[in-house]
Amino acid sequence: DAGVIQSPRHEVTEMGQEVTLRCKPISGHDYLFWYRQTMMRGLELLIYFNNNVPIDDSGMPEDRFSAKMPNASFSTLKIQPSEPRDSAVYFCASSLYVYEQYFGPGTRLTVT
Amino acid sequence: AQKVTQAQTEISVVEKEDVTLDCVYETRDTTYYLFWYKQPPSGELVFLIRRNSFDEQNEISGRYSWNFQKSTSSFNFTITASQVVDSAVYFCALSASGGYQKVTFGIGTKLQVIP
Repeated sequence: DAGVIQSPRHEVTEMGQEVTLRCKPISGHDYLFWYRQTMMRGLELLIYFNNNVPIDDSGMPEDRFSAKMPNASFSTLKIQPSEPRDSAVYFCASSLYVYEQYFGPGTRLTVT
Repeated sequence: AQKVTQAQTEISVVEKEDVTLDCVYETRDTTYYLFWYKQPPSGELVFLIRRNSFDEQNEISGRYSWNFQKSTSSFNFTITASQVVDSAVYFCALSASGGYQKVTFGIGTKLQVIP
């Protein structure tokens, strides 16, 4: 299996622009997670899906953030409008049931 | 509510020393899973091990070993004869199912192995 795939790997954008991060989970996994990692706040769970349905989005910082999972093989995390404080590494992970999560390589987002 | 505590934020050891990373957890679920992940300087998060709540056997994998004790709600990770390549941030995590998965990560322990 190719593992969890994320794109882009790096994104540099200007404040106010829309940013879309993409994730392809491991085939057969029924959970998908979006995390954000910064030096100040560590690893934060933003939202997770079970069988394409959002289960808990309490970690989404504010309405500027939205996530979708239109099918079992694709998810997006969108930030609109982006702000400098959104600069972070965003990880997508997938798992089967409550077992271990497999993480993608991450997207390093820089908002200037 | 679930909680994972990694009290050691940073540890430095000299190469070839043994080091133990502590993890204490809290949960009301009777069935749960514990994990360790490694995040080397390159940034990716790598799964190391999973233990379920019904299996308290210690596990050894090469230089790595894990000690799971339900009586103290701990799942500690020991690296024997540490190497520079072990330098990373190590995360302990807890997962349980109460209908849907509940997953909680600790804040991580940064291990620096000095040559």
